[in-house]
Amino acid sequence: AQSVTQLGSHVSVSEGALVLLRCNYSSSVPPYLFWYVQYPNQGLQLLLKYTSAATLVKGINGFEAEFKKSETSFHLTKPSAHMSDAAEYFCAVSVYSGNTGKLIFGQGTTLQVKP
Amino acid sequence: KAGVTQTPRYLIKTRGQQVTLSCSPISGHRSVSWYQQTPGQGLQFLFEYFSETQRNKGNFPGRFSGRQFSNSRSEMNVSTLELGDSALYLCASSLEAGGGNQPQHFGDGTRLSIL
Repeated sequence: AQSVTQLGSHVSVSEGALVLLRCNYSSSVPPYLFWYVQYPNQGLQLLLKYTSAATLVKGINGFEAEFKKSETSFHLTKPSAHMSDAAEYFCAVSVYSGNTGKLIFGQGTTLQVKP
Repeated sequence: KAGVTQTPRYLIKTRGQQVTLSCSPISGHRSVSWYQQTPGQGLQFLFEYFSETQRNKGNFPGRFSGRQFSNSRSEMNVSTLELGDSALYLCASSLEAGGGNQPQHFGDGTRLSIL
């Protein structure tokens, strides 16, 4: 069964520092992977998606993620954190069969950005 | 293009009541999925609708039901409310059913509080 594990429920970085949010997946088929961000009192906003076209995926707001099949990982990075990046981040894998599907989410990682 | 619209944003109910939540997908999107978000369980899939048919259902009791109309708008109903139903209910839409590489776009959710 497909699953997603996010390592670290809370990550704290200083403004301007590298952001690294970890995601490992389990999938018996080639996965479709997504990163979403959730700001307080809002829904989930799509940051980026991996659909097997390229292993390095660039998303919005300067984020990118690299798909590593050998490590079953899809970590999210940003070279320089900004205060506005403080939010909760979710990694998700698409579980599909025939003509139906759903997203399986990790438990989320709260990113704190210190001035 | 308008995003996914969920109404109402906030609801307060008491145990034993029932509630109906509404979701209008992005124009042209035919698939609507519902998720429950709680601090303890995280994001969990409720069900997916496509062409007015429920295509997939998560592991929730029968008190949770939904439907989709011919214009792709969807409603979710919860009967005999329990304290544990307090959660943020998120609706997501995508172009086609079947998950896969189709990203899901989320609304801001309905926060349901049970007293």
